[in-house]
Formats: sequence, C-alpha cells, structure tokens
Amino acid sequence: DAKTTQPPSMDCAEGRAANLPCNHSTISGNEYVYWYRQIHSQGPQYIIHGLKNNETNEMASLIITEDRKSSTLILPHATLRDTAVYYCIVRAGLTGANSKLTFGKGITLSVRP
Amino acid sequence: NAGVMQNPRHLVRRRGQEARLRCSPMKGHSHVYWYRQLPEEGLKFMVYLQKENIIDESGMPKERFSAEFPKEGPSILRIQQVVRGDSAAYFCASSPLGQGVPEQYFGPGTRLTVT
Repeated sequence: DAKTTQPPSMDCAEGRAANLPCNHSTISGNEYVYWYRQIHSQGPQYIIHGLKNNETNEMASLIITEDRKSSTLILPHATLRDTAVYYCIVRAGLTGANSKLTFGKGITLSVRP
Repeated sequence: NAGVMQNPRHLVRRRGQEARLRCSPMKGHSHVYWYRQLPEEGLKFMVYLQKENIIDESGMPKERFSAEFPKEGPSILRIQQVVRGDSAAYFCASSPLGQGVPEQYFGPGTRLTVT
C-alpha cells in the first residue's frame, strides 16, 4: 500500500502557483520523496525527487519539511497543460526490489483558465 | 534519444486468446518495469526485470501472466487465455543500470481490450 496521503483534488487559476501537498508521516530515513504526474491516461512523467533538502528543476520545486513527514510540490506558473493526476511516492531503493514505484490515488489538479 | 516505446498501442483480444505486449527501453537502459492500470484505478506494479533476469515479480498474477527481457530485443509481457478483467492499460518504464539514477521513464502504454 502507498505510504503517502494526498487530497483527492484541487484547482488553481492559470498563471498562478499550484501548491500540491503530500503527507508521508511514516517515511524512513533512507526513503526519497518522488513526484510523478499522469496527463489524461498517458504514461506517467517524472517531475522531481528529494531526500531532505528542497529541490528545484525546470518543472517544479519540492519543499520537504524538516521532519520529512510532509512535502509540497510547487508548480510556479500553472498552465492548462498542467491539468493531470499528480502522484507523491516514497521509495527507498534505486535498484533491486525496493526500486518499484508504489502509486496511490494521487491528487487531480485542474487548472482553470 | 528516443523514449520508451511500447507496441501495440491498442490491442483487442477475444476471451481465451493470448496477448503479447512489447516494450523497448530507452537506449542504454537495462532495467524494465511493468505496471498495470485498471479502469478508474491507480497504477499497480507488476514485475521488474533486468536483462535475462526477473528481479521482482511480486505484483504479477500467479497464473497466465509472464514476462521476459532477453539479451537482445524488447521486453515482452505475455498474457495467456485473456479474460475481460485483463482489460487495462499496461505501462512499461525503463531505468539505466547503476546507483544514483532516480527516475523511471515511462512509455505511452498499451491499452488492452478483451471482448
């Protein structure tokens, strides 16, 4: 079972920041936080990952709380094409049996014009 | 660098037939994962393979399903004697060999419909 909890849905206005929360209160010290998204039944797309430091790339920023029990994915300027299901995943291994991704239900982000 | 390729993109089979789904990983990737997404449900892990080895098949149904990733050629997910409940989207993902590479790159999926 997924080790993360996300609200089922949220929306935001186009051009505004979208802040997607995730609770992972049972995360272990060696587990990373990953975010993927799935746009309209396409294959999931990797967004970003982090261990304990905040991370930023060209797609998004990831803010992880100091106790690592929760995190927030930030899309700084949401566009209509960002409408998707966003999955927050915790994962320990990069190879081996722990490297599989365990998807929960995710959060459906709807970006409105 | 081409992405992960899956074919066919859509597959229709009658109950009792066999379905073969193919996945060509990204160039240089030697790890392949298969996931299944049933209608209106989330993605579920099925199997993880490296070249010529099954590493983790904990998500595979016990019967009728098998997977391989030969030394040459694509990875194959095979479903024998398909039933209506096998109708789903099947995604594969690939990852390169070695530590420190976090992401899995997903293909577009094969949508299997069993009639």
